[in-house]
Amino acid sequence: EAEVAQSPRYKITEKSQAVAFWCDPISGHATLYWYRQILGQGPELLVQFQDESVVDDSQLPKDRFSAERLKGVDSTLKIQPAELGDSAMYLCASSHSSVAYEQYFGPGTRLTVT
Amino acid sequence: AQRVTQPEKLLSVFKGAPVELKCNYSYSGSPELFWYVQYSRQRLQLLLRHISRESIKGFTADLNKGETSFHLKKPFAQEEDSAMYYCALNTNSGYALNFGKGTSLLVTP
Repeated sequence: EAEVAQSPRYKITEKSQAVAFWCDPISGHATLYWYRQILGQGPELLVQFQDESVVDDSQLPKDRFSAERLKGVDSTLKIQPAELGDSAMYLCASSHSSVAYEQYFGPGTRLTVT
Repeated sequence: AQRVTQPEKLLSVFKGAPVELKCNYSYSGSPELFWYVQYSRQRLQLLLRHISRESIKGFTADLNKGETSFHLKKPFAQEEDSAMYYCALNTNSGYALNFGKGTSLLVTP
């Protein structure tokens, strides 16, 4: 069964360093989401793509975060520079246009900023 | 403002007992609500959607617009129901979700 892939699964970085996360959605899924989940909270949307276009990035801290999905397939989320408060789980999800409401989540990347 | 509230952080019930996980929302438009579940060491996945009005794994949820609630219910809890449950509200036509903080359900024998 096809699944959303994310890498790395764990990342430890020092404050002020750059960090990048990668997501490969399920083949054929046009919509891709990046969520951030702080411990004890629910996931919060950072950015949503429809194919290669950004649909919603209103909650993305654009001074340090960037996201791209150049060919409308896989996506990269970058943080530069990382801050202590960025420590969280970063989740990627994708959905198919015909069943847009059902999001399939990846395993997440656990980021620890020291 | 759009907000989803799950008042219980942890809910513990005995096997065979009824269970109700509470969810309240605030949204000025016509809401579309979901329950997502995360079992231990598994990914977050959709459990049910209010529009479908289905029963999934014995769970049901009814949207009550008057009380702005979407509580998840099951008449007889099973040990395998132990998981983290998130209520979520659709916030745009693209189905980006606004999640609650989640309720951890523990079903004990």
